[in-house]
Formats: sequence, C-alpha cells, structure tokens
Amino acid sequence: DGGITQSPKYLFRKEGQNVTLSCEQNLNHDAMYWYRQDPGQGLRLIYYSQIVNDFQKGDIAEGYSVSREKKESFPLTVTSAQKNPTAFYLCASSRRAGTGVYNEQFFGPGTRLTVL
Amino acid sequence: AQKVTQAQTEISVVEKEDVTLDCVYETRDTTYYLFWYKQPPSGELVFLIRRNSFDEQNEISGRYSWNFQKSTSSFNFTITASQVVDSAVYFCALSVPPNDYKLSFGAGTTVTVRA
Repeated sequence: DGGITQSPKYLFRKEGQNVTLSCEQNLNHDAMYWYRQDPGQGLRLIYYSQIVNDFQKGDIAEGYSVSREKKESFPLTVTSAQKNPTAFYLCASSRRAGTGVYNEQFFGPGTRLTVL
Repeated sequence: AQKVTQAQTEISVVEKEDVTLDCVYETRDTTYYLFWYKQPPSGELVFLIRRNSFDEQNEISGRYSWNFQKSTSSFNFTITASQVVDSAVYFCALSVPPNDYKLSFGAGTTVTVRA
C-alpha cells in the first residue's frame, strides 16, 4: 500500500537532547513537508522540500533541521535549541508544488514528541 | 498575508443531528485554494475537499456539503445526520499560488458526536 510512515508514534526525550523524527513515503512524490501541531492550534509549517537535496524554511524553522538525501525520506531533527519541542509532528508529501497545478498534500500518522 | 479563522473551538451533538463548521478566510489574492481536512483520533489528516476561488458552486459528497461564499469570505462545512465516526478535529486551510506548498490552517474545530 502506498503511503507515508512516521516512526515512532510516541517519543520521549530529555531536555537538551537532539532527536530525529523519521518520515518515509512510497508515493513517488517530489515534495515533502514537516508541520508542528500544538493543542488548540492549527498546523504550522517547519520545513519543506520540493526536490532531493533541496529544502526551505517554513514559518517556524528555528531549532529544527532537515535533510533530503533520498526522494523517499525527509527526517526532521529537533535540536536542543528548540525552546518548546513538545508537540505533535506531522509529515506530508505531494507531487511537486509551485508548478501552478495544485497537488494535494497527503499526511502521515504523526509522531508525538514529549520532552521531559 | 493569509489567515483562516475557525471561531468554533468545540461542537458536541447527538447522533443524527446536523452540524455546521464555520470557516472565514482572509487573503488579498484573487486566486486561492480552500481546503477542509479531518483529523480523527489516530492523528492523521485526511483530505476532504479542495475548492479554488473561481468556483463558488456548492458541493455535496454523501453526508458532507460545503458552502463557499466569496462575498463573506466563508467556506462552511456541514455534516448531515452526524455519526459517531464523524468525531474528529476538522481543519479549514488556505493556500495561494504560486506558493501553493504553503497551507495556512485554522485552529480547528473539535466535533464530538454522542450516541
């Protein structure tokens, strides 16, 4: 089945530690995204990548880093510089964005990160 | 700048009641896309509908219907004869080409349908 997988579902880390969230897709999508969701708030864009080896900051990139070495994978690292990392993180993918033809974003099941 | 407002934080209904979710958007652009997503307790966002700004025709899909009114900048969503499985958080979102990668989300409305 085609889709997006995120692992793990729940993640606990101590304050000050970096942590990497996994996102893999087998939809053959060019574009991938990371969003953060806080209680009572909509999703906010952290980073996005429209093609391998290229990525751009979203609205709240501070304290996060990403890489896009393979089309299928877009891992997100939450660094110790992120002041309030506890949140629900959602990964998404779409066919290539910004071409004038809209392509829906498909979302993974999310990872709930709790920093103790 | 774009903004989406979902004024209803939570709605609770009894099964078979209709429920309408409000969405008001702000943008200066004449071309834009509007969306509704459903987030069930499992957490994954499920795409429900996309509407472009040039298509004000209302749409019905089964028990779901959408009312797009540019005059009031609203894109409301109605669930008819609600069911327990409709319990979820519903998000309205907006994007503007060519930056259509960027979805501006509302805060979401939590719908609880009681048996």
